[in-house]
Order: sequence, then structure tokens, then C-alpha cells
Amino acid sequence: NAGVTQTPKFQVLKTGQSMTLQCAQDMNHNSMYWYRQDPGMGLRLIYYSASEGTTDKGEVPNGYNVSRLNKREFSLRLESAAPSQTSVYFCASSEGGTPSPLHFGNGTRLTVT
Amino acid sequence: RKEVEQDPGPFNVPEGATVAFNCTYSNSASQSFFWYRQDCRKEPKLLMSVYSSGNEDGRFTAQLNRASQYISLLIRDSKLSDSATYLCVVLFTGGGNKLTFGTGTQLKVEL
Repeated sequence: NAGVTQTPKFQVLKTGQSMTLQCAQDMNHNSMYWYRQDPGMGLRLIYYSASEGTTDKGEVPNGYNVSRLNKREFSLRLESAAPSQTSVYFCASSEGGTPSPLHFGNGTRLTVT
Repeated sequence: RKEVEQDPGPFNVPEGATVAFNCTYSNSASQSFFWYRQDCRKEPKLLMSVYSSGNEDGRFTAQLNRASQYISLLIRDSKLSDSATYLCVVLFTGGGNKLTFGTGTQLKVEL
């Protein structure tokens, strides 16, 4: 009963490097999300995909790109990492519709030096 | 003013105590409300939705006050295992669904 699986769990990048965070869900959910969590800021939405084939910007999309590869998978790419992107990243999914609870992955701790 | 505000705490309470958290929101058109629980270095998990008439789930009671724009979470008979950060989440559906998370209230239940 995996739920939402994120990889990697930890990552250290140098400024300017690129990487992709992977996310997959096995609950047949329509909607998927990427959040970042920083101390004192709460969870902030980066990008979301309301359904397969669609993606939209959230509150803090700059410096990120996403791909909804299929219904199960939603990846987040940092093209040129910056120290300001040091954060904990969470992928989440939901059935879609309103309201429906979010199911989160375990998170990725990213440090950019 | 933040869209969703919570007292960060920490609230340190003895086991068995009753503790309450409030959360205020700024958008009067907000439509749905939730409490999530987040353990240290873990992902948030849904604790309970908050309904207009108030709702209870075991030792947990959630209330909504639309006139004053706040929601509350009451925990009775606190357990050590209740120690966590509690996130208030507000959904606004005007112009697309927008979920806004509070920064969380930290609870520490002690022996």
C-alpha cells in the first residue's frame, strides 16, 4: 500500500546544477501537486496538475518546471538550482473535486550550496 | 496580513490535559477547512475536515466560526503520541481551487 512515493529522499546540489524530483501515486488520483515547505512559511504550492495532461502554476513556480507523465507520475525539475531552492519538497495527490484530502509523499530534503 | 494565521507555539501540556488551537483566515469567501497533523520531519496527514456545524472524532473536536473567520481544534485527554505540529488548511474555490496552509502550531505533550 505505497500511496505517494517520492524520490530521492535527500539531495545536495551545487548552484547551477539541475535535477528532477520524481513522484508516483498508486491511488488512481486525478490531481497531483508539488509543494515546498520552509521554516515559518508554511507549505507553498509550486505547481499542480488537476488532471492528466494539464499543469498549472501555483504560488511559487519560478525556477521550476513540471511534467505530468501519465496519471500516476508527476515530476518536478529544477533547471538551474539556486540556494533559495533549499527546502523540503512534498508531492501530493488527491481524487480531485472539492473538497478532497491531500495524500502526501515522504518528502525530499534538498540543499543547494 | 497572512491568509491563514496560527500561533506557532509550542504548547507544552501535561498528559491528560485539554488543549485548544485557533486558526484565523482572511478570505471570508473561503469554503472548506481542514486540520492536518505533521510529525517531526514527516509528511502532513489529514487529521479531520471541519464542518460548519462542528464535528468530533474521538478526542478531537473541530469548530468553525465564519462570522469571526476562525477555526479551532480541541484535543481532550492529551496523549504523548499527540505531540506534533497541527496545520490549519483553508480552501478557497473562487477562480480555481486554492488550498492555503498555515505555518502550524506545535504541540508537546509531556509526562
